[in-house]
Amino acid sequence: LAKTTQPISMDSYEGQEVNITCSHNNIATNDYITWYQQFPSQGPRFIIQGYKTKVTNEVASLFIPADRKSSTLSLPRVSLSDTAVYYCLVESRAAGNKLTFGGGTRVLVKP
Amino acid sequence: NAGVTQTPKFQVLKTGQSMTLQCAQDMNHEYMSWYRQDPGMGLRLIHYSVGAGITDQGEVPNGYNVSRSTTEDFPLRLLSAAPSQTSVYFCASRSGVMNTEAFFGQGTRLTVV
Repeated sequence: LAKTTQPISMDSYEGQEVNITCSHNNIATNDYITWYQQFPSQGPRFIIQGYKTKVTNEVASLFIPADRKSSTLSLPRVSLSDTAVYYCLVESRAAGNKLTFGGGTRVLVKP
Repeated sequence: NAGVTQTPKFQVLKTGQSMTLQCAQDMNHEYMSWYRQDPGMGLRLIHYSVGAGITDQGEVPNGYNVSRSTTEDFPLRLLSAAPSQTSVYFCASRSGVMNTEAFFGQGTRLTVV
């Protein structure tokens, strides 16, 4: 199963773009990359999912290079309310429907 | 739009007591799971179920039991509470299809004294 590595924490300022890179060197051919967001005292919330190249929704963009050994979550023009922990997950067919969370990246947006 | 509902939101237990954390979902999801989250840490999978009548262990199952008699409900039982089980517990559900969004409850904050 693919293990993910992402920075423990990042600081940013309101209005800036935040990019969080996750490495997943042993990702398998059929695996998908999914990101979740967790605010304090709440359960995680799905943000975005992708397989290759670029995926964009109203919240974020996900960039996946051709070798798929890493991915970058991009949060445009963050606000204070984007302060949260962001988790990168690799969903593997071998793991069935189980979601395995790592430690996540704690993003602090400052005024 | 209830989604995933967990009860209670807060609970204090004495060491050795037992209790059941409730989880219910109204989305007809096949897959349900329980996680625990210790302060400053990620979520760890306790038990999961791929459908009514089917359960399996996750990473940290010791001290917990589950059952899945209906599609909607997936209760987590603490058999004999220990201080090491002080944590926030999250229930999640998703459809049986791979790579679909998981929905989480608001959590149960459990303190064992």
